[in-house]
Amino acid sequence: EIVLTQSPGTLSLSPGERATLSCRASQSISSSYVAWYQQKPGQAPRLLIYAASSRATGIPDRFSGSGSGTDFTLTISRLDPEDFAVYYCQQYGSSYTFGQGTKLEIK
Amino acid sequence: EVQLLESGGDLVQPGGSLRLSCADSGFSFSSYAMSWVRQAPGKGLEWVSAISGSGGSTYYADSVKGRFTISRDNSKNTLYLQMNSLRGEDTAIYYCATLRWYFEYWGQGTLVTVSS
Repeated sequence: EIVLTQSPGTLSLSPGERATLSCRASQSISSSYVAWYQQKPGQAPRLLIYAASSRATGIPDRFSGSGSGTDFTLTISRLDPEDFAVYYCQQYGSSYTFGQGTKLEIK
Repeated sequence: EVQLLESGGDLVQPGGSLRLSCADSGFSFSSYAMSWVRQAPGKGLEWVSAISGSGGSTYYADSVKGRFTISRDNSKNTLYLQMNSLRGEDTAIYYCATLRWYFEYWGQGTLVTVSS
C-alpha cells in the first residue's frame, strides 16, 4: 500500500499570504493519479485538484497543484479567509489512500 | 448538478449490522462508479469500498473485507453499504462519492456509532 505523508501538520498563515502544502508518497505515483481535497468543519470534503495539477469545476485559480514521482504540492497563491480548512492529498495506485491532512489555520 | 444524500446511520452495538443508503438526484447514476469513504471522529479520510457503474465489479479496503458489502440499484438510483460484524473502529461518518479514480462529488455523510 502506498502511504502518503503530508507536511506540515499545521500551517499558520495570514490572509493574503501564500500557502505551500506538501504530500510525499512512499513510492512513485503517476501524477495522473494524485488529487487534493479541502474540508471545512462539519462539511464533506470538496475536490480541488485532480491529475496533480488540473483544477476541478468551480475552483478558483489561486489554487494550483504540481509535482511528480513521490513529491506533490498544493499552492494557494493568496489566502482568502474562506481557505482556512484541512487539506488532504489522495492517490490511486492499486487502491485509494489519503494523506493524514494539513490544517491551515489563521495566524 | 449532482446531489447525493446518505441515510441509515445509527447507534449499533458491537457485532451488529447496519445498511447505509445513498440516493442520487440530477445525474446519470448508472454511468458513475461509486464509492464509500469514512472519517472517524477527529481523524482523516479512509476509503472503504467501490463499485462499478454496472455493479459487476466491487472493491474493498482490507479493514472491511468480508464484513461489508457494497451494492447498487440503478433502477432506484441508489447505492448501498451493508455492514455486518461491526466494531468500535467502524465508528465514523460515512460519505458516498462518485468515483473516477478521484472522488468528485460527495454527499453530506451519515454517522455510524458502534458502541454498547
